[in-house]
Amino acid sequence: EVQLVESGGDLVQPGGSLRLSCAASGFTFRTYWMHWVRQAPGKGLVWVSRINSEGSSTTYADSVKGRFTISRDNAKNTLYLQMNSLRVEDAAVYYCAREVAVGESWEFFDSWGQGTLVTVSS
Amino acid sequence: DIQMTQSPSSLSASVGDRVTITCRASQSISTYLNWYQQKPGKAPDLLIYAASSLQSGVPSRFSGSGSGTDFTLTISSLQPEDFATYYCQQNYNAPITFGQGTRLDIK
Repeated sequence: EVQLVESGGDLVQPGGSLRLSCAASGFTFRTYWMHWVRQAPGKGLVWVSRINSEGSSTTYADSVKGRFTISRDNAKNTLYLQMNSLRVEDAAVYYCAREVAVGESWEFFDSWGQGTLVTVSS
Repeated sequence: DIQMTQSPSSLSASVGDRVTITCRASQSISTYLNWYQQKPGKAPDLLIYAASSLQSGVPSRFSGSGSGTDFTLTISSLQPEDFATYYCQQNYNAPITFGQGTRLDIK
């Protein structure tokens, strides 16, 4: 069974840093691209970042570019999101999600973690 | 960025009703469109990918259609467990973008 378990969410002051982790099990982690998606309280889903299977290519939403860093340790089956210079507007539940690609690059998120809550407040 | 607009934003319906949710893209996205269901306090679940392909394990009362800029998610006969929020998502162009969501409530 595919499992993704996020951790690391916490209350942090504006300008602070936090590192989120996503522990993967039940599948060959090193062969999948992975993403972070966030959801502010009572709001919709917003894509944050993605990393390829080797960890050599990353992409970010403009809102977090230069402040967040996605990475992975395939030996530990773990995905990370380092978040620096946190802003009030970064407060959200952060989900990690597994990307599956079929056919002519139809890509979708077939598995999600349960989410970890990041609160940014003074 | 490609903007995804869902309508309606909220909807009230009864068990057994046929329900249709619409998603419109700000530019053509071919069939690079996915649908997710999210229940309160839970992570989203994939329902439909590539506009019309049913994800394994998803009941056949769910169906998707469309291409280009206009897409629909249809639930043929609402069940109690279907009351949730539904999101469309495009992966035609980076960045990936989601619709704002459609909340489906019990009438």
